[in-house]
Amino acid sequence: KAGVTQTPRYLIKTRGQQVTLSCSPISGHRSVSWYQQTPGQGLQFLFEYFSETQRNKGNFPGRFSGRQFSNSRSEMNVSTLELGDSALYLCASSLEGRGGTGELFFGEGSRLTVL
Amino acid sequence: AQSVTQLDSHVSVSEGTPVLLRCNYSSSYSPSLFWYVQHPNKGLQLLLKYTSAATLVKGINGFEAEFKKSETSFHLTKPSAHMSDAAEYFCVVSGGTGRRALTFGSGTRLQVQP
Repeated sequence: KAGVTQTPRYLIKTRGQQVTLSCSPISGHRSVSWYQQTPGQGLQFLFEYFSETQRNKGNFPGRFSGRQFSNSRSEMNVSTLELGDSALYLCASSLEGRGGTGELFFGEGSRLTVL
Repeated sequence: AQSVTQLDSHVSVSEGTPVLLRCNYSSSYSPSLFWYVQHPNKGLQLLLKYTSAATLVKGINGFEAEFKKSETSFHLTKPSAHMSDAAEYFCVVSGGTGRRALTFGSGTRLQVQP
């Protein structure tokens, strides 16, 4: 069974640009969550999607957005990039209906560098 | 509301000696608790989870953790460290109305000396 796949793995952008990151969850998983990881702030929750609907959102500005497609694949977009957006962006999927235990399966992340 | 505190940001041990990574939690509900490990430039991998069954939980790679409600702790241990255990470890609490209420600890970086 393939794991969570994130693309691209590494990318470099300049301030003011925008970026789109992609996440393919484990087959059968309908919940996809996104996290931002930085040395200073640690792991911070961005948002979660389930069946194409955003059902939970972290405390990030509107420049951060996401969506989920009918095949459960998800994308997140960051517009008007700032230097502070440099981070490892992690996607995680989970299988609903397993007692709500919260087990997440993470991808290897997309490392974004903003110059 | 829930929170999790990892008491050590860095832990250094010698190969072959025991590992102890400490985690205290706070939750208004009966929590589910997890330990995840992250190797450099990798995603997080689940080590083990507690979901109100046995209080002593065994995970992968020889790790285990004990849920102690009276102490609100969920410390991670391993009898004998291996070089490949060097990584960052995260304690995570889930509670409330659904598994979506996940709170991550700040992480503990484990160094293993030869």
